[in-house]
Amino acid sequence: DIVMTQTPLSSPVTLGQPASISCRSSQSLVHSDGNTYLSWLQQRPGQPPRLLIYKISNRFSGVPDRFSGSGAGTDFTLKISRVEAEDVGVYYCMQGTQFPLTFGGGTKVEIK
Amino acid sequence: EVQLVESGGGLVQPGRSLRLSCAASGFTFDDYAMHWVRQAPGKGLEWVSGISWNSGSIGLADSVKGRFTISRDNAKNSLYLQMNSLRPEDTALYYCARDGAQGGAFDIWGQGTTVTVSS
Repeated sequence: DIVMTQTPLSSPVTLGQPASISCRSSQSLVHSDGNTYLSWLQQRPGQPPRLLIYKISNRFSGVPDRFSGSGAGTDFTLKISRVEAEDVGVYYCMQGTQFPLTFGGGTKVEIK
Repeated sequence: EVQLVESGGGLVQPGRSLRLSCAASGFTFDDYAMHWVRQAPGKGLEWVSGISWNSGSIGLADSVKGRFTISRDNAKNSLYLQMNSLRPEDTALYYCARDGAQGGAFDIWGQGTTVTVSS
């Protein structure tokens, strides 16, 4: 199974400041079709998860452009350019390349 | 409106069975693969099972293999999860999720249905 490791576990951030979350996979996420199925999800308190980014760096419909994804192979990053109050929650990376699909452990973003 | 609505959760004793359902609306259900994802209280997300649009490809997490079965009925726009031999560690909020057109990412989620396994 592919293990997804996220750091940090928690990220206290000042409003308006950037935040960065790292996600590392135990093996390459490049699929045989050439795509890399790494996505990022946000889960606000009491809500189901919401898709932010798919295939490393593509913003899903309606996602603000302060969210961006980057990386390749086994190392990936989600960045929030300027954190807003509504960004509080837990962020997960997920690999969709190989069964069983796996999630990172989550990173909690909170306001200082 | 694109929507997924789960049902069928509840309190069940260890060793018993439960069947979850997910009703889809607002999109062409048989165009998409579908998945079940669960979240134990205070914990992270765990993928449980997935099924392709035509049921030709199915995946199951090791933790539920031999006990859970995923299925779908495209005529009824519905996804199911048959859960047998339930254990206390299966206690979780179970989400139904759509595997979006972009592939390998879950773009639509239901609100979830809670399963509690306890004597």
